[in-house]
Amino acid sequence: AQRVTQPEKLLSVFKGAPVELKCNYSYSGSPELFWYVQYSRQRLQLLLRHISRESIKGFTADLNKGETSFHLKKPFAQEEDSAMYYCALSGETGANNLFFGTGTRLTVIP
Amino acid sequence: NAGVTQTPKFRILKIGQSMTLQCTQDMNHNYMYWYRQDPGMGLKLIYYSVGAGITDKGEVPNGYNVSRSTTEDFPLRLELAAPSQTSVYFCASSYPRLAGSSYNEQFFGPGTRLTVL
Repeated sequence: AQRVTQPEKLLSVFKGAPVELKCNYSYSGSPELFWYVQYSRQRLQLLLRHISRESIKGFTADLNKGETSFHLKKPFAQEEDSAMYYCALSGETGANNLFFGTGTRLTVIP
Repeated sequence: NAGVTQTPKFRILKIGQSMTLQCTQDMNHNYMYWYRQDPGMGLKLIYYSVGAGITDKGEVPNGYNVSRSTTEDFPLRLELAAPSQTSVYFCASSYPRLAGSSYNEQFFGPGTRLTVL
């Protein structure tokens, strides 16, 4: 069975400090991993996906199959990064479904 | 484009009442989904649909029903509301995922906050 674990419910960092949001997953095949973000009073939206290997809003995430992790990182946090972040997994079969972690609320302190 | 719209935004129900949560999308997406999000938890899939007339159960379908008579609409029905159904409900839609291809981004609605007392 698939599982996505985000160990931190809350994370606070100072502006300009590095930030890392942790995500570990369990899946028997080759999953696709994503980070979704929900800013205050906005809809849940896709931030980035592992297959794109790109940086979005300064965030990057590398899929580590050995450690089954997909941590989200940013070298210098900004106040506008304050939001709820969800790690999610999509299996290689099925109808495009997503399995979500419980989310981490990031607060960037000015 | 309005994207995915959901009505109502908020609702309070009494135990045993029924209601329908509405979801409409104007992106011509074949796939649609209903999730629920309990406090402090991630989103869990209730039902999904890969096209008009086709629906299937997700992780937590008990207590809910869905129908998909058109591409645009995917209503979620609660027949006998229970306190355990107090949650925020999100509808989403996406393009189809072809066999062997990558996940297609889901686009989410703003959510419906439901309280059952």
